[in-house]
Parts: sequence; structure tokens; C-alpha cells
Amino acid sequence: GENVEQHPSTLSVQEGDSAVIKCTYSDSASNYFPWYKQELGKRPQLIIDIRSNVGEKKDQRIAVTLNKTAKHFSLHITETQPEDSAVYFCAASRSNYQLIWGAGTKLIIKP
Amino acid sequence: GAVVSQHPSWVICKSGTSVKIECRSLDFQATTMFWYRQFPKQSLMLMATSNEGSKATYEQGVEKDKFLINHASLTLSTLTVTSAHPEDSSFYICSARLQGTDTQYFGPGTRLTVL
Repeated sequence: GENVEQHPSTLSVQEGDSAVIKCTYSDSASNYFPWYKQELGKRPQLIIDIRSNVGEKKDQRIAVTLNKTAKHFSLHITETQPEDSAVYFCAASRSNYQLIWGAGTKLIIKP
Repeated sequence: GAVVSQHPSWVICKSGTSVKIECRSLDFQATTMFWYRQFPKQSLMLMATSNEGSKATYEQGVEKDKFLINHASLTLSTLTVTSAHPEDSSFYICSARLQGTDTQYFGPGTRLTVL
């Protein structure tokens, strides 16, 4: 069935360095790929998304790249800050606007 | 904009009772709402998709008679956990899709504890 694989499960980076989280999806019909940030006990919050007709999108320190051929998309966070510490989820769309979710990446920013 | 509320934020109930959770889109209309369940340190598990005015569609393995979903208006969906048991204890989160987009906005979640 459809699935989304996300790596790594945990990522620890020094404050100020960059962080990259990668996801692969299986359904070639997927055309929408959001990234959510979830802090402990709180709701997931959309941080950036990309549609399949675009290869890259950037919003300040956050960027997402998409390789449709490889069915691969990545989240890039530059100049990481302590407040970036959270769990990040990628997702890929399927029919009826549903999302298939990755397992999540716990991002730890070391001071 | 695009705020979703969820009520209650937490509930403790006895085994065998039913619990209703409300999900509201406060400043937009949501033709589609989704209900998720999230276990500690795990990803979101889609339970069902709720379309306004029609029956919800449930994911495989989710009992529709146990998790009753009603989406009576463009701003409100409810999830009722019937005859709750300790294994139903979890964090339940709803999301609402902004009409005309793919974007889902999430409620704050409801922590259900069944004793």
C-alpha cells in the first residue's frame, strides 16, 4: 500500500548548523507534500508545503525540495535555533485530500 | 486565520461510558475534516475522513460503530467514542481542510484516559 518513509528518526545538530530531513513516498499520484512541526503535547503546525509542479520552495530559514522522479522530498532548516527543537513530520497526499504520514524526526538543537 | 478548536482538551472516563469530542473550524469553512489518533512518540494515524453532509469514511481496522463521526455543518465535526475501554486511551486530534486548498489545520487535541 501507500507509505511514506522518513529519515532520520532522531537528528541532533549544533545551534547555527543546518538540519536536513528526508522522506520518500510510494504513490506516484501524490501531488501535495506538507511538513509539520509538533512540539510535545501540542498540535502539529504546518511549516511549509510544496506541490508536485514545483521543485523547490523556500521560506526564510526553511526550504523544501522535491524530486518527483525519485519520489523523494526533503526539509532543510538553516541557521538552526533552540526553538527549532521539535518533532517534524512529512506527509504525502492521496485521494480525498487525505495525507499519508512519515514516522517523524525528533530534531534536537544543541546549544 | 485558519484556527481549529477542539473540546474537551482532556477527559477521564470510566470504562463502558461514551465520550464526545468536538472539532470546530473557527474562522473558515471546512468541507472535509479528519480524525487522527496519536500514541506517545508515534506518528499520526488517520482514523476517518469526514465530509460535511455525508457519511464518514473509515480507515481499515477502525470500527465505525465504535468511533461515531458526525459532520453536520461546515464548521463542526464530532467524534464519539462509544463504550470506551482502557485501550482507547490516546491523544485524538482533528484537522480541517481549508476549502479550495490541500492544507489541513489541526486542533489542539484531546487526551482521553479511560479507567
